[in-house]
Amino acid sequence: EVQLLESGGGLVQPGGSLRLSCAASGFTFTSYAINWVRQTPGKGLEWVSGFSGSSDSTYYADSVKGRFTISRDNSKNTLYLQMDSLRAEDTAIYYCARGWCDSWGQGTLVTVSS
Amino acid sequence: DIQMTQSPSTMSASVGDRVTITCRASQGISNYLAWFQQKPGKVPKRLIYVASSLQSGVPSRFSGSGSGTEFTLTISSLQPEDFATYYCLQHNSYPYTFGQGTKLEIK
Repeated sequence: EVQLLESGGGLVQPGGSLRLSCAASGFTFTSYAINWVRQTPGKGLEWVSGFSGSSDSTYYADSVKGRFTISRDNSKNTLYLQMDSLRAEDTAIYYCARGWCDSWGQGTLVTVSS
Repeated sequence: DIQMTQSPSTMSASVGDRVTITCRASQGISNYLAWFQQKPGKVPKRLIYVASSLQSGVPSRFSGSGSGTEFTLTISSLQPEDFATYYCLQHNSYPYTFGQGTKLEIK
């Protein structure tokens, strides 16, 4: 069974940093791209970042480019999202999703507030 | 970047109705489009992939069509459990982009 488990969310002040993790199991981790998708409470879905499965290519939405960094540790089957210079508008539930978003984790809540 | 325009943003319908939701891409995306259903407090669930393939376990009243820039999700006969918010997603190229969502409400 495919499982994705996010962790690392919490409350952080504007300008602060947070690192999210996405632990994967039940499939060959290196065969899939993994994406981060976020959702502001009561709002729509926004794709944030992706890491390809077949190469070391990384991709970002314009809204986070230069502030967020995606990485993966294939030995641990884990994807990370380092979030720096956080803003109030980054407040959201962050999900990781496999490949073409066929499987999702349960999400982790990030709140940016003073 | 590819923009996805989804319509309508909200709609009201009754059990048994046939419903169609549309997504339009700002440029051609072949058939790299998926549809998701999300209920309040729940994780999005993929219904359709590559525009018209039904995800395993999804009822056959859901169907998708289209290619290039115009896509539709059709629910042939609405059931009570179908009242939710629906999103399209283009995954033809990064950055991936979602439509704004369609909230389907009970009339």
